[in-house]
Amino acid sequence: SQTIHQWPATLVQPVGSPLSLECTVEGTSNPNLYWYRQAAGRGLQLLFYSVGIGQISSEVPQNLSASRPQDRQFILSSKKLLLSDSGFYLCAWSVGRSGANVLTFGAGSRLTVL
Amino acid sequence: GQNIDQPTEMTATEGAIVQINCTYQTSGFNGLFWYQQHAGEAPTFLSYNVLDGLEEKGRFSSFLSRSKGYSYLLLKELQMKDSASYLCAVRDWSNDYKLSFGAGTTVTVRA
Repeated sequence: SQTIHQWPATLVQPVGSPLSLECTVEGTSNPNLYWYRQAAGRGLQLLFYSVGIGQISSEVPQNLSASRPQDRQFILSSKKLLLSDSGFYLCAWSVGRSGANVLTFGAGSRLTVL
Repeated sequence: GQNIDQPTEMTATEGAIVQINCTYQTSGFNGLFWYQQHAGEAPTFLSYNVLDGLEEKGRFSSFLSRSKGYSYLLLKELQMKDSASYLCAVRDWSNDYKLSFGAGTTVTVRA
C-alpha cells in the first residue's frame, strides 16, 4: 500500500532563517506531488505541484521554492522566512491529476515564524 | 479561483443529521470532493461526485447538482467523533485540473 511521510511535524523558526520541509511517498511510482499551506481559518492554498522529477509548477509568487530531486521526494524550502510564512504545510500525492484521482495528504508540518 | 463557498460553522446534537452546503463557480468542472479534517490533523478523503445525484457511503452522503453549482454533504446519526472541519474541493480542467478548496465548515457535535 502507499504511504506518505512528511517531516518535521512541528517547527519554530526565527524570521530570516531558512526552511526545509521534506515529503516522501512509498509504494507508488511517478506520483503527482503537491505542497499546500493552510492558514488559520482559511482554505488550503496550493503552493507547488510536480508531475515528475525536476518539474515544478509554482502557484503563488513568494519566498518559497520547491524541488523534486527524486521520483518520490518533494522538498519545500525558503532561504529567509517571513512572519507571514507561518501556517500548516501539507504535502499530498495523487496517481493522476484529473477526474476521480484523490489527493492523499501527509500528516502536515506546523510552522511558526517568530 | 473557483469561488467555493461553504458555511463557517455548524452545531448539531449527537444522533441528529447535519447538512453542509457548498456552492462553487468553475469554468471546467471535473469533479467535487469532500474531505474531513480533525483539528491539527491532515484532511482525509470522504467522497467524490462528478455526475448529478446522491452518493451514499454509510452515514455520509454527498449530493451534486452541476447546473446549480451546488453540493451538500449529509452526516447522519451524528457521533461525537464527527466533530471536525469539512472541506469542499472542486477540480477544474480549465485550471490545469487543480483542486481548489473551500475554507471549510467546522461541525461541532454536542451530547
